Amino acid sequence: ELKVEQNPLFLSMQEGKNYTIYCNYSTTSDRLYWYRQDPGKSLESLFVLLSNGAVKQEGRLMASLDTKARLSTLHITAAVHDLSATYFCAVVPRSGYALNFGKGTSLLVTP
Amino acid sequence: GAVVSQHPSRVICKSGTSVKIECRSLDFQATTMFWYRQFPKKSLMLMATSNEGSKATYEQGVEKDKFLINHASLTLSTLTVTSAHPEDSSFYICSARDRWAWDPGELFFGEGSRLTVL
Repeated sequence: ELKVEQNPLFLSMQEGKNYTIYCNYSTTSDRLYWYRQDPGKSLESLFVLLSNGAVKQEGRLMASLDTKARLSTLHITAAVHDLSATYFCAVVPRSGYALNFGKGTSLLVTP
Repeated sequence: GAVVSQHPSRVICKSGTSVKIECRSLDFQATTMFWYRQFPKKSLMLMATSNEGSKATYEQGVEKDKFLINHASLTLSTLTVTSAHPEDSSFYICSARDRWAWDPGELFFGEGSRLTVL
């Protein structure tokens, strides 16, 4: 059974600070996705990481993938309140095609 | 960008009734759609994989007679919650894969449907 573990599950941080969310998974995969979800809303795609060493950046968010370590990180730089949301990573195993989601990281950015 | 429309966004029904949720890919063809369920402050749980023109594949523990899935065309999949009970209350999200997408793992998500069963 594929396991996707995110940590932390809850994160409260001050505006202007940096932090990293981690996503570990238990099976071989070259495809990892990060999503954002606002309360009561569906998922918004943030990043698609398709190879070892892939790094993508959009604004204050940067995502990376290490397939050998089975680890992806989502780094937040100089957080702002608008980044408050729940962030999910999801993995597609090599042997399958369905997305398997982590439990999500609920981020709250405070003044 | 690819758009997936889900309808209704909110529905309230009485116990024992059936509710149908539609998932449409508006500007692409989707041979495969996925149905997820999300409990409050929880992750997304894959319920079933819907394949156009064939029977859906259900995940372990999901009652196929309870959650009927039909994928009759390349742009529409429906989820019917039959004889709904309060424990079926949840947020249901569909996602669709573009049949011509280079990355088969890239999915486009609907807006979600919040079902409340009284």
